[in-house]
Parts: sequence; C-alpha cells; structure tokens
Amino acid sequence: GIQVEQSPPDLILQEGANSTLRCNFSDSVNNLQWFHQNPWGQLINLFYIPSGTKQNGRLSATTVATERYSLLYISSSQTTDSGVYFCAVWSPSGSYRANNLFFGTGTRLTVIP
Amino acid sequence: DGGITQSPKYLFRKEGQNVTLSCEQNLNHDAMYWYRQDPGQGLRLIYYSQIVNDFQKGDIAEGYSVSREKKESFPLTVTSAQKNPTAFYLCASSPRGLHYGYTFGSGTRLTVV
Repeated sequence: GIQVEQSPPDLILQEGANSTLRCNFSDSVNNLQWFHQNPWGQLINLFYIPSGTKQNGRLSATTVATERYSLLYISSSQTTDSGVYFCAVWSPSGSYRANNLFFGTGTRLTVIP
Repeated sequence: DGGITQSPKYLFRKEGQNVTLSCEQNLNHDAMYWYRQDPGQGLRLIYYSQIVNDFQKGDIAEGYSVSREKKESFPLTVTSAQKNPTAFYLCASSPRGLHYGYTFGSGTRLTVV
C-alpha cells in the first residue's frame, strides 16, 4: 500500500513562533487531507488539498503532487494549536476501491506559553 | 447540528468478553468507517461500509465484526479473538464517492482489565 511519512515526529514551540510540518507520500494521490487531533482525541479536518495552496487564518497548506509532498504552515502559534497533526491520502493504487484514507503517524505539536 | 456520536467514551473489558462500540451519524452520509489508534501511531482501518447491508474488511479486521443494518448506524464489536484490544477507536463517515468530507466522532477508549 501507499506509504505516508510525516516529519518531524515531535515539535515544541514557544507561543507566537511559526512552524512547517511535512508529509511525504510514496505514490500518486487523488486526495490529501490534513487533520488536527486535539488532546481529547477529536479529529478535525483542516484542509482538503490534493494540489495547490490553501489558507485558512493562521494555517496554510501546499501540496506539490508531482513531487509527492505536502506542507502545513502554522504561523503565530497558540497553545490551542497543540495536538497531533495528521496527513491522510487516498490513492487509486491503494488496496481498496473505497474512498478510505491512509494516515501518516502524525506530528505531535506542543505550544508552550 | 449534524455529526457523529460515539458511545461510550470509555469502556473497560474483561479478558474473554465481547464488547460493542456504538457509532451513529445524522449527516446522511453513505460511507462509514472504523479506525483504531494506538499510542504514537496513525489511524488504521478496521472495517468500512459504503452502503447499508454491505461492509468490507480493512487492514486489521481480525478479531472485530461490524453490521450496517441502518444508514445511520455502524456498530463495532470487539470479540475475544482480538488479542490486544486496548486502543482508541474512532468512527468516521463521508459522502459516498467523494474523497473528502470526512467527519470523525470523538472516539471510544477501550481498556482491557
């Protein structure tokens, strides 16, 4: 199946700092999404971004599908940004014909005041 | 408000017991999914269903069973055959045929005692 690698695995930031999270994937994808899992376990969809760049407030994401990577930028980080950020992809070469997602192992972000 | 409800939030199971985790959605989504999350890991697909009365195995289906008798409901049974069931279980749904629009429940944390 498709491989999804995220880096760094852990990141500690001072409040107000900026950060970049990376997601590499091993095959062409039709779908890439970024999720944030808060400390209570709830997963929230941040971006659906199979290609190009999107911005939503302090967060933005860029996917370069031809080079098989995506970046999530967090600017002016806040303590509420803490949690785990997952990249998830769907590939037509995956094991299933269904529209299910393959998840990376995540980047755990801790923002300290 | 539309969403996914998982219950219970915490569940304790004795060795050899079967337990059932509930997942209900009122989003009118056709597809539903069950994922397992272990500490420091991404999400792994257990089972998915694209339509009522149909479901397919994911990567780690052994020791689990599901049913899909209603569009709104997709319960997961963790059987005694699952040797290491302690984990965080997440249910999700999405519109059928789309590669985005995933909505996750808040999860059930299962512990074997």
